[in-house]
This record gives sequence, C-alpha cells and structure tokens, in this order.
Amino acid sequence: EPEVTQTPSHQVTQMGQEVILRCVPISNHLYFYWYRQILGQKVEFLVSFYNNEISEKSEIFDDQFSVERPDGSNFTLKIRSTKLEDSAMYFCASSDVGHAQETQYFGPGTRLLVL
Amino acid sequence: KQEVTQIPAALSVPEGENLVLNCSFTDSAIYNLQWFRQDPGKGLTSLLLIQSSQREQTSGRLNASLDKSSGRSTLYIAASQPGDSATYLCAASNDYKLSFGAGTTVTVRA
Repeated sequence: EPEVTQTPSHQVTQMGQEVILRCVPISNHLYFYWYRQILGQKVEFLVSFYNNEISEKSEIFDDQFSVERPDGSNFTLKIRSTKLEDSAMYFCASSDVGHAQETQYFGPGTRLLVL
Repeated sequence: KQEVTQIPAALSVPEGENLVLNCSFTDSAIYNLQWFRQDPGKGLTSLLLIQSSQREQTSGRLNASLDKSSGRSTLYIAASQPGDSATYLCAASNDYKLSFGAGTTVTVRA
C-alpha cells in the first residue's frame, strides 16, 4: 500500500542552525501538509500546499519556515534559524484530489531536537 | 477557530469490553472528521473518515458516528483487545487543515 515517507527519522541540531525536513508524499496525491506535535501537546497544523503554492498557513508558520516541492516527488520543510521551541515531531501528510473530502495520510514523522 | 476536545483523556478497560471515545468540536462547518490511532513515539494511522454528509462509518470492529449539528463524534471499538492499546485522536477538517483533539489514551488489560 502506498505510504508517505519522511527523512530523517531523527535530527538533532544546534539553536540557530537551519534544518530541512524531507517528505515523499503518496505519488498521485496533489495536496501536501506539514503538522507538528510538541511533546505532550496536540498535533498542530503548520501549512498546506497545492499547485506549488501555499494554500493556508497557521500563525506558527512565520518567516522562519518555508516549504518547497523541489521536484516531482519531494516536499520539504525548512526552518531557517531553529529555536529551542521548535523541538517537536514534524509530520508530513498528503491527500488526493478534492482534499477537503479526502483522507489525509500521514508519514511516520521526523523528531527534531534543538539544543 | 476550531477547537476540538476529547473526553476522557485516558481509559482503561478489560479485554473484551466495548470502548466509547468521544470527540466534540466548536465549528460545525466541517468538511469531514477523521479518527487516527497513534502508538507511543510513532506517526498517525488513519482509522476512519466520516464525510460531513454522513452520520456513520464502519470498518471492522470500529464504528464512528457524527452529529454535525451538535458538534460531536463518537468512536466505538467493539470487543477490545490488548492490541487496541494506543492513543486515539480525532481531527476536524475545515478548509485546508485538520484541527486535532488531545487524544484519548486507551489501555486494554489482558
């Protein structure tokens, strides 16, 4: 069964460093998302992406964050200058055409630790 | 802003008992509601999706109901097994995003 994959599974970085989290969505999906879950807290929406544009973003998704679909298969989240509070599990998700009616499929996550 | 609440936060039952997990949401203008399972330190596995026009959705031992007007969904798990032990999350879909509840952590005792 097709699945969303994410790399790396774990990343440790120093405060102020840039990180890039990578995702490969399900191949025929057209809508892509990033969410995050700080330890012990709810899963929070960051951004949605369709047709090479951001569809919607939360207030968390400030100028330190960016997303890109550099080729036909990858979807990336970049954090330009990491802060301690960026430590979280980051989930990528994708859904098929007509996203609002379709299941979002989640990847296994990247656990980011900022020291 | 959509707010999703799940009650109870934790539940412990003996094997074989039926589970009832509750989810409420404040904005009834949802497109759909999804239920997920999360094992400790792991990702989210989609269990069921109920469209806003539906009242109920079933998959095996799982049954989810949706009452959009009252802002409620319930997940029923029949004849629970120790392998059902996990955190169950509900998420309401508005526009291009899901809003999640904090989850109900279920322990099924053998």
